[in-house]
Amino acid sequence: DGGITQSPKYLFRKEGQNVTLSCEQNLNHDAMYWYRQDPGQGLRLIYYSQIVNDFQKGDIAEGYSVSREKKESFPLTVTSAQKNPTAFYLCASRTMGQGNTEAFFGQGTRLTVV
Amino acid sequence: AQRVTQPEKLLSVFKGAPVELKCNYSYSGSPELFWYVQYSRQRLQLLLRHISRESIKGFTADLNKGETSFHLKKPFAQEEDSAMYYCALSGAGGSYIPTFGRGTSLIVHP
Repeated sequence: DGGITQSPKYLFRKEGQNVTLSCEQNLNHDAMYWYRQDPGQGLRLIYYSQIVNDFQKGDIAEGYSVSREKKESFPLTVTSAQKNPTAFYLCASRTMGQGNTEAFFGQGTRLTVV
Repeated sequence: AQRVTQPEKLLSVFKGAPVELKCNYSYSGSPELFWYVQYSRQRLQLLLRHISRESIKGFTADLNKGETSFHLKKPFAQEEDSAMYYCALSGAGGSYIPTFGRGTSLIVHP
């Protein structure tokens, strides 16, 4: 069953801890994205990657880090430097090389700082 | 820079009423516009894109470059249309990175 999978669905973090959110896709998509979804603010881009071993900062990258060691995987680490990490995080992917194509989304991870 | 504006956070209508969800964009090049929908407890998914010029679930959207708008319309709303709707723009200048509006919550009452 092809798709994009995020885990875990819910994540609780203590203040001062780093946590990593997983995003895996088996769609053979080149580009992957991380968005943060907050009520009333829509989706804001954190990081994106268009090729393995390369990634770029989005609009709100501070306090986050990513890696892209494999085409299928694009994990996001929320570091202790992120001042307000409680949010819903969405991972997306899309194919490239065919012009402008739609993005496919995971189910999301809800992160809560306790 | 590319920007998408959805002026309404919430739109509440009765079943059978017409619906129009507004979307305005800012982009210097030739944009491609999309509408995504997020039903309760489901993932965000594509509803329609302007280059397809198709009607999906009774929804249509026309790109108006003069008014820089891409409003989503449906003549007769159904209860199952209740969801969060996001307008998105991507352009070649931004390597096709989708930029989203803040979203409009549509509630259709019986």
